[in-house]
Amino acid sequence: EAGVTQFPSHSVIEKGQTVTLRCDPISGHDNLYWYRRVMGKEIKFLLHFVKESKQDESGMPNNRFLAERTGGTYSTLKVQPAELEDSGVYFCASTGTSLSHEQFFGPGTRLTVL
Amino acid sequence: RKEVEQDPGPFNVPEGATVAFNCTYSNSASQSFFWYRQDCRKEPKLLMSVYSSGNEDGRFTAQLNRASQYISLLIRDSKLSDSATYLCVVSFGSARQLTFGSGTQLTVLP
Repeated sequence: EAGVTQFPSHSVIEKGQTVTLRCDPISGHDNLYWYRRVMGKEIKFLLHFVKESKQDESGMPNNRFLAERTGGTYSTLKVQPAELEDSGVYFCASTGTSLSHEQFFGPGTRLTVL
Repeated sequence: RKEVEQDPGPFNVPEGATVAFNCTYSNSASQSFFWYRQDCRKEPKLLMSVYSSGNEDGRFTAQLNRASQYISLLIRDSKLSDSATYLCVVSFGSARQLTFGSGTQLTVLP
């Protein structure tokens, strides 16, 4: 079974540019989460989709971040315009509808804003 | 105060040693507890869930004390392959979002 995949693995952009990160969850997983780890800090929750609906977006830092999950399959996270403090590793995770809480993480996208 | 606090580490131990990690959490409504393992520049992977009754998986033993809001992980007979960052993680509610500690780095030395 294919795991969670993320694209790109690395992105280097300049301040003010736009970047879109993509996550493909494990097939059939309704729950999709985005997390972020900035340098020197712990991994932090950004938002949670159940199918195509945003269940919780309380962790989104500001309105420069926009997440979508049209059709309830893959998800995108767009940062526009990017700022220096947005640099970090963005992880996506998915889980099914069972009572198990295990979240399966993708390899992450390492974003560097110059 | 951080929601999940862990031993700062790093821990450098010889092969075969026993090492213990501790973690405290601040939200008494937390319902689920985990230890995740993260290798360098990789994604976190679930090591084990933690239950009040304690649970063991081979060389790994996890304990939860809800009254003290304290979680522990014991690794016996350390192997070189155990070298990684160990993340204490809690979640609560139906949303199941995870709250991470900052991690404790373990290096097992030959």
